[in-house]
Amino acid sequence: GAGVSQTPSNKVTEKGKYVELRCDPISGHTALYWYRQSLGQGPEFLIYFQGTGAADDSGLPNDRFFAVRPEGSVSTLKIQRTERGDSAVYLCASRDAGSDTQYFGPGTRLTVL
Amino acid sequence: ELKVEQNPLFLSMQEGKNYTIYCNYSTTSDRLYWYRQDPGKSLESLFVLLSNGAVKQEGRLMASLDTKARLSTLHITAAVHDLSATYFCAVGGYTGANSKLTFGKGITLSVRP
Repeated sequence: GAGVSQTPSNKVTEKGKYVELRCDPISGHTALYWYRQSLGQGPEFLIYFQGTGAADDSGLPNDRFFAVRPEGSVSTLKIQRTERGDSAVYLCASRDAGSDTQYFGPGTRLTVL
Repeated sequence: ELKVEQNPLFLSMQEGKNYTIYCNYSTTSDRLYWYRQDPGKSLESLFVLLSNGAVKQEGRLMASLDTKARLSTLHITAAVHDLSATYFCAVGGYTGANSKLTFGKGITLSVRP
């Protein structure tokens, strides 16, 4: 079956611009996670959705970052006033209820010039 | 604060030999995960370890968990080139906000002839 998909695969933007990153989880997965991976590091947690609601947003670095999942499926990570330090690979993962495993998408590589 | 440490960070392996890599974590967690990441790719789930003494094997890889020592090991038997990748361990709970994963920095394995 189809895995987690993310679009775009690459995004280049200028400092100060607004970007949206999209995640399509595996169909039926109720839990959705966003992580950020900087070069040479492990992924770092950003936000977790259970259904439509953000159950834990403790990893969002500041109020420029926001994420939604209005219908409990697709999620969008939104970054305002991008900074060069936001450059990273943004990973999305989904998990089925009752399962232990988070399945990761291919990621969006964000470059802020 | 939960910390996950992996060592070594880089390991050059000779084909056909056995190796062990380590993952330590600082506080009690429900689950220990091992993921593999190829360059420029996303994370592939390898193992989920649920309890003290758990051992799982897949091909040349065997993972074990000692919750008392807060230590997981990944043993590689007769290394082959296809195992060259970065291996991350992560800890997390089962439900709710605890289900977010905290990752180590990863161990990059390179298998040489």
